[in-house]
Amino acid sequence: EAGVVQSPRYKIIEKKQPVAFWCNPISGHNTLYWYLQNLGQGPELLIRYENEEAVDDSQLPKDRFSAERLKGVDSTLKIQPAELGDSAVYLCASSLGVDSTDTQYFGPGTRLTVL
Amino acid sequence: AQKVTQAQTEISVVEKEDVTLDCVYETRDTTYYLFWYKQPPSGELVFLIRRNSFDEQNEISGRYSWNFQKSTSSFNFTITASQVVDSAVYFCALNFIGGSNYKLTFGKGTLLTVNP
Repeated sequence: EAGVVQSPRYKIIEKKQPVAFWCNPISGHNTLYWYLQNLGQGPELLIRYENEEAVDDSQLPKDRFSAERLKGVDSTLKIQPAELGDSAVYLCASSLGVDSTDTQYFGPGTRLTVL
Repeated sequence: AQKVTQAQTEISVVEKEDVTLDCVYETRDTTYYLFWYKQPPSGELVFLIRRNSFDEQNEISGRYSWNFQKSTSSFNFTITASQVVDSAVYFCALNFIGGSNYKLTFGKGTLLTVNP
């Protein structure tokens, strides 16, 4: 069974440019998560989707970040405009149900460098 | 509030040595899950184990073993006879059970380097 797929794996942009990350969760997984991982830190949740509904976006900086999960399958996370401090790894994860007990499975991440 | 502390930032061992990674957690919840993930240089977090707060039995899986002690709020991870392929960052994480606003809280990770 295929795992969580993310693209691109690496992205280098100049500040003030827009950038988008794509995630395809494990087939059949209803819940999708976007995490931010800074260097030397653990992942921190940005947004959680249950099917197509964003049920927790309290940590998403909404002035420049947006996300969507159309049709409740794959998802896109966008930053516009990017700032130097956005350089990090953006991880996508998915879990089977909508219960907090479900294990989250992670993709390989997108490493963003903002120059 | 939930908090996970991994006091060991980096550990370096020689192949075949045993190594223990420490994890201490804080939570006001009485029911919760604890996790360990491995993040190799490729970047993907690989799920290793999940343990709920009601089950304090230690678990062994091959060279991996986990010691959960609720009395000390610790969930330590031991690798026996370490191998070079074990080199990675290891994260301990906590999630409470129940409710709609749950969040997986990670520690800062421990970088394990196994030298040949």
